[in-house]
Amino acid sequence: GEEVAQTPKHLVRGEGQKAKLYCAPIKGHSYVFWYQQVLKNEFKFLISFQNENVFDETGMPKERFSAKCLPNSPCSLEIQATKLEDSAVYFCASSRAGTTNEKLFFGSGTQLSVL
Amino acid sequence: DQQVKQNSPSLSVQEGRISILNCDYTNSMFDYFLWYKKYPAEGPTFLISISSIKDKNEDGRFTVFLNKSAKHLSLHIVPSQPGDSAVYFCAASPRNTGTASKLTFGTGTRLQVTL
Repeated sequence: GEEVAQTPKHLVRGEGQKAKLYCAPIKGHSYVFWYQQVLKNEFKFLISFQNENVFDETGMPKERFSAKCLPNSPCSLEIQATKLEDSAVYFCASSRAGTTNEKLFFGSGTQLSVL
Repeated sequence: DQQVKQNSPSLSVQEGRISILNCDYTNSMFDYFLWYKKYPAEGPTFLISISSIKDKNEDGRFTVFLNKSAKHLSLHIVPSQPGDSAVYFCAASPRNTGTASKLTFGTGTRLQVTL
């Protein structure tokens, strides 16, 4: 597709439940990025992929968070045993290349509410 | 430890006048700077960028200025239009160290263009 597609738009989970978010990058883009935006503040980088390989996972919480980009499937971000502080908007972005001056194209985000 | 700072949370400008949005950074490894615009319930969209080898980049009504010695950049919008009302995020990317395109964002400035 010609835009980054994120599903669902909204997700509500009780504390301790699992949450799974999906992202389909723009066709032809090799890099996928996940960002977390809490309370409309700064975007926190979580993880990036080059095709199906993890490129940079320095922002991923070590526990409870995992992500995958498998061939011919949307990328996914999964949170096991959600906590209240996981409530945020999760943005996915894609780019053609991973070079410094490559701009990112963002999806419209998934609003996760943990109650 | 906020490496990219936007100290003005909001700005109100009259239609037709100039809007100036400011951004400061602390990390001298940042090499490439971008401005993103964000409307409610949408993902950020790329607006304009500048490489550290330049001090100015212009695209239509939008100009970005970079002062490397001061670690400061600014976005000028002239003339401002009501459709420019949005949140503007400054972002920075380090030199290509293998973690390229991992953007560090500021907290955003909400621009309101009034009639």
